[in-house]
Parts: sequence; structure tokens; C-alpha cells
Amino acid sequence: AQSVTQLDSHVSVSEGTPVLLRCNYSSSYSPSLFWYVQHPNKGLQLLLKYTSAATLVKGINGFEAEFKKSETSFHLTKPSAHMSDAAEYFCVVSRENAGNMLTFGGGTRLMVKP
Amino acid sequence: GAGVSQSPSNKVTEKGKDVELRCDPISGHTALYWYRQSLGQGLEFLIYFQGNSAPDKSGLPSDRFSAERTGGSVSTLTIQRTQQEDSAVYLCASSLETGSSYEQYFGPGTRLTVT
Repeated sequence: AQSVTQLDSHVSVSEGTPVLLRCNYSSSYSPSLFWYVQHPNKGLQLLLKYTSAATLVKGINGFEAEFKKSETSFHLTKPSAHMSDAAEYFCVVSRENAGNMLTFGGGTRLMVKP
Repeated sequence: GAGVSQSPSNKVTEKGKDVELRCDPISGHTALYWYRQSLGQGLEFLIYFQGNSAPDKSGLPSDRFSAERTGGSVSTLTIQRTQQEDSAVYLCASSLETGSSYEQYFGPGTRLTVT
């Protein structure tokens, strides 16, 4: 079985300050991990993915995430938040032996204050 | 190029009626996925297709739910005798192949409201 836990349902930061969205996973397999973003009234968009290559993964819009096997974590960070980053973020693990079906975390709503 | 499209974008139906939700994947994508996003359950996997075949139907919440895919392209998710707990946003995604190296591209969703 596999699961994903996003430790914060809401995160609020000021524009220009760092962003940290926390994610822990549980997987019986060597996992593939993803972060997706969902802006209001828009579809899910892939931010970045980890598939057992480099443990530090860079994504779009300045986001990056570090895979730490010893901590079973895959936290998402960005050095400086922008107003346009306000959205819901999902940490996701996939099951390769089940057609790559995705298991989503509960989501973290990021609010960016001016 | 065109992304994943879903229709209708919104559907309001009365309890007990049947509904059909349609997904048009990106051309050439062999894998197609259905997910559901609801307030109570978050985002959950329903079913996937590799070509026209659905190897794993275990994510479907009840036998009122069924899905099919024809011609390796369009997919239809059917909910019979809808219940209020079926109210959710139904998301479709497609990818070139199954496998984690292939990104899943999501459609905008169909918002289903059962009254």
C-alpha cells in the first residue's frame, strides 16, 4: 500500500519570502513522486517529478523538491513567493505496477500576502 | 496542440438519474485515467485504461459506476442511479503510455451536482 500525507492544509506566506510545503510518503516500492498545482478554476498542472534519478528535483516557476529516503519526505520549496503562486498544491505518489495510478495527498492551500 | 477535454463542464442531475461524462484525451495517448475530487474524499483514483482495456477497476466506488473506452480514444464514465454522495468534480487525465516517466495531463473536469 502507498499513501501520502501533506502536513499542512493551509500555508500563508508574504510575497518575497520562502515557501515550504511539507509532504511525507509511504510506499512499498521505490516510489515515483510528484507535485501538482491547481489554480482556482483551472486544471491540475505538473510542477515537478522524482523518478529515482537526482534527489533534488527542479520544476517550473522556480519550485524544487528534495527526495529524502531516510525521512520518507518530499518537501516542496521556493526561495521567494510570488502572488501568482497562490493555489492548491498536491503531493502525489504513483504505482508503477498499477498502470501508474496516482495517489494524492490531501492538498495544501498556499496563500500569498502582499 | 489540444489538451485533454471533458464534457459537460457542469452537470446538475436529480437523484436517481443516470449521467454520462465524456473525456477526449490528447491524440496518440494510449493511457487514460479517471479521478474524482470531492470535499470529503479529496482526489481519488477511479479507473485507468491502457488502450481500450481497463486492467484495474478496483477504484470504482460502487457497481453503479462503469467506464468504457472505444477506439483507443474517447472514454465515457457512466454513473447509474446517482446519489448525492456522487457530487464531485470528475477529472480525466491522459499520458503517452503508462509508467511514471510519462506525465499525466489533466482535463478541466466535469462538476457533477446531484440534487
